Amino acid sequence: DTAVSQTPKYLVTQMGNDKSIKCEQNLGHDTMYWYKQDSKKFLKIMFSYNNKELIINETVPNRFSPKSPDKAHLNLHINSLELGDSAVYFCASSHDRVSYEQYFGPGTRLTVT
Amino acid sequence: AQSVTQLGSHVSVSEGALVLLRCNYSSSVPPYLFWYVQYPNQGLQLLLKYTSAATLVKGINGFEAEFKKSETSFHLTKPSAHMSDAAEYFCAVIDPGSGGYQKVTFGIGTKLQVIP
Repeated sequence: DTAVSQTPKYLVTQMGNDKSIKCEQNLGHDTMYWYKQDSKKFLKIMFSYNNKELIINETVPNRFSPKSPDKAHLNLHINSLELGDSAVYFCASSHDRVSYEQYFGPGTRLTVT
Repeated sequence: AQSVTQLGSHVSVSEGALVLLRCNYSSSVPPYLFWYVQYPNQGLQLLLKYTSAATLVKGINGFEAEFKKSETSFHLTKPSAHMSDAAEYFCAVIDPGSGGYQKVTFGIGTKLQVIP
C-alpha cells in the first residue's frame, strides 16, 4: 500500500508546454504539501493545503497552480514551463496542519528541454 | 526566520565506524528539529524528531540525535555505520510559533557515503 503516490515519476517536456503532476495520499491526512528539490538537493516548500484550503503559498511564480479536489489529492499544474523548472517535485502529507511528521511521496523528476 | 546549517555536504565513513552528521539551528526560541533521510530516487523519510521533550532522541535504524541548546546543535549519530545507511540526510526545523501551521525549513543535506 503506497501511502503517498505521485504520477508521473518522470516527466520530460519542452519549454513553453503546460504539464500537471498528480498526488494522492491514502493516509486520511488533512494536510498536503508540494516541495521543489533543485539539482543541489535543496528542498523548499511551495504550497500547502489543509482540507482543500490553501494555507502556505511561498514566493512561487504564478505559472504554478495547485489544485486540491479533495483532501486526499493535491495536484500541481505548471504553465509555460521554463528550463529553471527542472527539478524533483515532492508531494507530502501530514495528519493535520499542526502535525510535525510529514510523509513524502517518491517524487516526480521534471526535465524541461 | 528559522534556519538550519548542515556542516559538510559530503561525509565518508568506513563500515562499522561512527556516523556523525552535524546540524546547527538559528532560533531565538527553542524550535522543533528533525532529521530526514532520502535514499536514492526516493522521497524523504523521518528518522527522528525533537519537540521539546527529552533532549536525546532515538530514531529508526539505530540513529539518535541530541538537542544541545547551549550549542544550538542537533547532531545525528549512529555508533556503527552500515552499508545501507548510505543516503542523503536532511536536518529540518519548524518554528513552533509559525502561525498555526507547520512550515518546515530544510538544510542543504549531507550525503553519507559508507566505505566497505
